[in-house]
Amino acid sequence: KAGVTQTPRYLIKTRGQQVTLSCSPISGHRSVSWYQQTPGQGLQFLFEYFSETQRNKGNFPGRFSGRQFSNSRSEMNVSTLELGDSALYLCASSFQAGAYNEQFFGPGTRLTVL
Amino acid sequence: KNEVEQSPQNLTAQEGEFITINCSYSVGISALHWLQQHPGGGIVSLFMLSSGKKKHGRLIATINIQEKHSSLHITASHPRDSAVYICAVETNTDKLIFGTGTRLQVFP
Repeated sequence: KAGVTQTPRYLIKTRGQQVTLSCSPISGHRSVSWYQQTPGQGLQFLFEYFSETQRNKGNFPGRFSGRQFSNSRSEMNVSTLELGDSALYLCASSFQAGAYNEQFFGPGTRLTVL
Repeated sequence: KNEVEQSPQNLTAQEGEFITINCSYSVGISALHWLQQHPGGGIVSLFMLSSGKKKHGRLIATINIQEKHSSLHITASHPRDSAVYICAVETNTDKLIFGTGTRLQVFP
């Protein structure tokens, strides 16, 4: 079974631009969660999608948004990029949503904002 | 104060040593995860537990719900165990809160 894939793996953008990251979950998984990892803040939860609906959301500004398609693939969008958005963005998939479901992480997309 | 605290932040060990990483949390949880992150970013889920103890190979995870504390033990440590170990709790509102991680280096 193929693992969670994320594209692109690396991105360089400038302030003010917008970016879209993609995550393909493990086949059969319907839940996709997104996380931001920075050296200063560590890993932080962004949002979770299940069956095309946003099920949960972390404490991030509205510039961060996402969606999930009928095939469970998910995209995350960040508009009006700021220097502080430079981070590793990880997605994880699980079969079901919510507690006590093992999450499988993708390799991440490393975003650098100049 | 962070809702999930890990200790120590950094840990060095000689190959073969027994290692313990601790995680304390202050929120109500439905489950606790231990994750391993290797250089380059890849994260692997090691354990997911809500009570008691789990063992997988040389790794053992325990949780004490009353004391709001979990430990990850590595027996007979090996240089390939060198990684960042992250504790994460699933809150009762289904959000994941992460600890800051413990950077482990095992030397031959």
